[in-house]
Amino acid sequence: NAGVTQTPKFQVLKTGQSMTLQCAQDMNHNSMYWYRQDPGMGLRLIYYSASEGTTDKGEVPNGYNVSRLNKREFSLRLESAAPSQTSVYFCASSETTSDRSLTDTQYFGPGTRLTVL
Amino acid sequence: KNEVEQSPQNLTAQEGEFITINCSYSVGISALHWLQQHPGGGIVSLFMLSSGKKKHGRLIATINIQEKHSSLHITASHPRDSAVYICAVPEGGADGLTFGKGTHLIIQP
Repeated sequence: NAGVTQTPKFQVLKTGQSMTLQCAQDMNHNSMYWYRQDPGMGLRLIYYSASEGTTDKGEVPNGYNVSRLNKREFSLRLESAAPSQTSVYFCASSETTSDRSLTDTQYFGPGTRLTVL
Repeated sequence: KNEVEQSPQNLTAQEGEFITINCSYSVGISALHWLQQHPGGGIVSLFMLSSGKKKHGRLIATINIQEKHSSLHITASHPRDSAVYICAVPEGGADGLTFGKGTHLIIQP
C-alpha cells in the first residue's frame, strides 16, 4: 500500500497563477484533510471531507477550493496564488467513527512545498 | 476553538537521557494525538490516547483528562529520536485536528 500520496512535491508559482494539489489514499478511509504548515504556526486545517461528496471549511479556507472527486482523491485548488500562500501543504486521511465522535489516527502524505513569488 | 500549548519549544539533550514533552489544551476532548515530524518533513502518528498511558518501544504517552494535560516521554534517548514532536486534539468532533506548535528535539551523541 502506498498510503497517502501527494503531487507535486515542489512547486513555484507567480502571483496570480492557479494550480491544483493532488492527494490520493488507498486505505479506503472516509475522511480526508488538507493542512498547511508555516514556520512558528503549527499545522492548520484548510478544508476537510468527512465522506465522498462532502466538503467543509476548516480554520483557514480563504483563497482555496477543494474537490472530493471520489473516495480515494481529494484535491486542493489555488485559483489565484498569493505570496501569503507560500507554505508546506499536507494531505491526510483517517477512518472516522460513524457518529463522528472520535477522530481516528491520521495518516499524512509527504507534503507539497509551494512557493509563490 | 481548542488552544493547544506545548513545552518546551526546543530541547537539546545527550544520548541516553530521559525526555519529557508536555502538552496542555483548553477544552475537553475525546482523545489526544502525538505525532512525529522527521527532519525530512514527513509526519507520522505515534499515539492516539483517551485515558491513562500507552507505550510503544521507548516512547510512553500519558494523559490526564481532568487536568487537560498530556506528556510524551522518551526513555534511553538516541540521536535518531531527533525530530519535531507535535500534539493535536480533535476540533469539533471528527472534523480535523488542532495542533500545537511542536517541540523541536535534538539528541546529541
